[in-house]
Amino acid sequence: KNQVEQSPQSLIILEGKNCTLQCNYTVSPFSNLRWYKQDTGRGPVSLTIMTFSENTKSNGRYTATLDADTKQSSLHITASQLSDSASYICVVSVQSGGFKTIFGAGTRLFVKA
Amino acid sequence: KAGVTQTPRYLIKTRGQQVTLSCSPISGHRSVSWYQQTPGQGLQFLFEYFSETQRNKGNFPGRFSGRQFSNSRSEMNVSTLELGDSALYLCASSPREVSNSPLHFGNGTRLTVT
Repeated sequence: KNQVEQSPQSLIILEGKNCTLQCNYTVSPFSNLRWYKQDTGRGPVSLTIMTFSENTKSNGRYTATLDADTKQSSLHITASQLSDSASYICVVSVQSGGFKTIFGAGTRLFVKA
Repeated sequence: KAGVTQTPRYLIKTRGQQVTLSCSPISGHRSVSWYQQTPGQGLQFLFEYFSETQRNKGNFPGRFSGRQFSNSRSEMNVSTLELGDSALYLCASSPREVSNSPLHFGNGTRLTVT
């Protein structure tokens, strides 16, 4: 069964600290993996998109890694800011007899001053 | 460049009614996809349209339908509303089919069914 699991479910960190969010998937055949940031009451905003051959991609203070062998991805946030408080959603795409998108449940990040 | 626009922003309907949601993609984007987001189920894919044709469909009942017009604007319709249809409905556009390009989301329509 195609699944995307994210951990932790929620996380509280102090402003200025780093953190890492995890995404494990059992999707096959893998097409690409995306990380999105969703502020409360807003639509998700794309942070990174990685294909099978890419193992790291950065977007400012956000760095995503992908290990296609272990089917794991992580999103590392450096020097967190209050504005990083949001939900972070991992999305994996499958290309098999049509295209499917499978969403993780998200990690809710709270950055405290 | 204007972002993805969804209307209305909020909507309250009664069980059994039907509702139509609208999505205007980013200019030049030909793919529009729709998603349902609830606290319990998270984000779930409804369907994708590309050049007025439905390309992919999620696992939702036939009460959920959509269409795309020649100007790429899209509408989603839900008939015979149920309480469980209360959710944030998100629309996303992309220049190419969803599988190959990043999605640009609107801020959604919050539907409440009473």
